[in-house]
Amino acid sequence: GAVVSQHPSRVICKSGTSVKIECRSLDFQATTMFWYRQFPKQSLMLMATSNEGSKATYEQGVEKDKFLINHASLTLSTLTVTSAHPEDSSFYICSARRGTGGYEQYFGPGTRLTVT
Amino acid sequence: AQTVTQSQPEMSVQEAETVTLSCTYDTSESDYYLFWYKQPPSRQMILVIRQEAYKQQNATENRFSVNFQKAAKSFSLKISDSQLGDAAMYFCAYRPPAQGGSEKLVFGKGTKLTVNP
Repeated sequence: GAVVSQHPSRVICKSGTSVKIECRSLDFQATTMFWYRQFPKQSLMLMATSNEGSKATYEQGVEKDKFLINHASLTLSTLTVTSAHPEDSSFYICSARRGTGGYEQYFGPGTRLTVT
Repeated sequence: AQTVTQSQPEMSVQEAETVTLSCTYDTSESDYYLFWYKQPPSRQMILVIRQEAYKQQNATENRFSVNFQKAAKSFSLKISDSQLGDAAMYFCAYRPPAQGGSEKLVFGKGTKLTVNP
């Protein structure tokens, strides 16, 4: 158990357009989901914490109007990169924590975003 | 703020040998969680092992074990009988206590492990 999926696995979009990335917990309910960004050969940097039914908490330096997060259900969180620019090209990873107890985060396989 | 330091950007080991990856962290908390994650070329983050700070016994998962030194704030990972499939980036991570604090993971910069046949 504890499988997290992400869709799409990779996406290419033109500069100025918006792109949505979905994160789903497939076999458990996730009250909390996390969105990370990873640049090549670097560590994961937390962008925001997403709680079901409430507004996301963004880390310092992350533009909340650019990276829109919606955690509409206990199994789905979405990250929308609005008005994407080439510097937004990166690997985006989500993780989820079980709703009932537990402290581990289970990671999705990531989404490669390329903005041309 | 909590920080996690992995002082070895790269390590290599011969197949079937043992290797130890280092991790130190800084926190003023007494109760917290520590993790080692593996990220192979597929980029999927895989939990290798976890340790609760209140437990004195070192965690073990098959060929993977940790040396948790709470006073020294050290959390090293030992991989025994290394296999080719162990080649990956390894990230050490810290999580604050569950009550009233942030749940976010703080990651180290990672150690790239190469396993030589």
